[in-house]
Amino acid sequence: EDQVTQSPEALRLQEGESSSLNCSYTVSGLRGLFWYRQDPGKGPEFLFTLYSAGEEKEKERLKATLTKKESFLHITAPKPEDSATYLCAVQTREGAQKLVFGQGTRLTINP
Amino acid sequence: EAGVAQSPRYKIIEKRQSVAFWCNPISGHATLYWYQQILGQGPKLLIQFQNNGVVDDSQLPKDRFSAERLKGVDSTLKIQPAKLEDSAVYLCASSLTLEREQFFGPGTRLTVL
Repeated sequence: EDQVTQSPEALRLQEGESSSLNCSYTVSGLRGLFWYRQDPGKGPEFLFTLYSAGEEKEKERLKATLTKKESFLHITAPKPEDSATYLCAVQTREGAQKLVFGQGTRLTINP
Repeated sequence: EAGVAQSPRYKIIEKRQSVAFWCNPISGHATLYWYQQILGQGPKLLIQFQNNGVVDDSQLPKDRFSAERLKGVDSTLKIQPAKLEDSAVYLCASSLTLEREQFFGPGTRLTVL
């Protein structure tokens, strides 16, 4: 069964304090790994797609990386507006190619 | 470009009542998804459409939930009768194709009393 586990469940940082969020996965055949950001009361907002081990993508203070078993979302010098829940999802290669989501990491950046 | 539209944004009903949610995807997006997100969890796929056809509904509780996508555009999700455990946010998403990234609507928060 395809499974995604994110850690930590919650993370509190000071503004400017860099850190990383982890997404571990087991999937029969990985087509892609997706990162989303979700603010309270809103739907998830697409950030990145990674397709193969070794791939990296960046957007402002965020950088996502992928290995064969896990993905990291690195946050460099975060600001309070980066506070949100970050969701990781894997897309299977076969069948409906549906997304399986992790439970998310709730990130809080204190000024 | 307009995003995914959903209505209503909030709904409160009593158990055993019925409820319906509406979704209008991004123009031109062939694939439409309905997710259930329980507080503190990630979204769980309920049903996935490709144009008018159902691609996956393996996690849809078919004894009480139903969904349709008429003319390959708008979609409705219905719950009848509702149970307490159906309290959640129902998210609609769409994508250009099966393989591409999904764009989500704001969701409908359902409370079943």
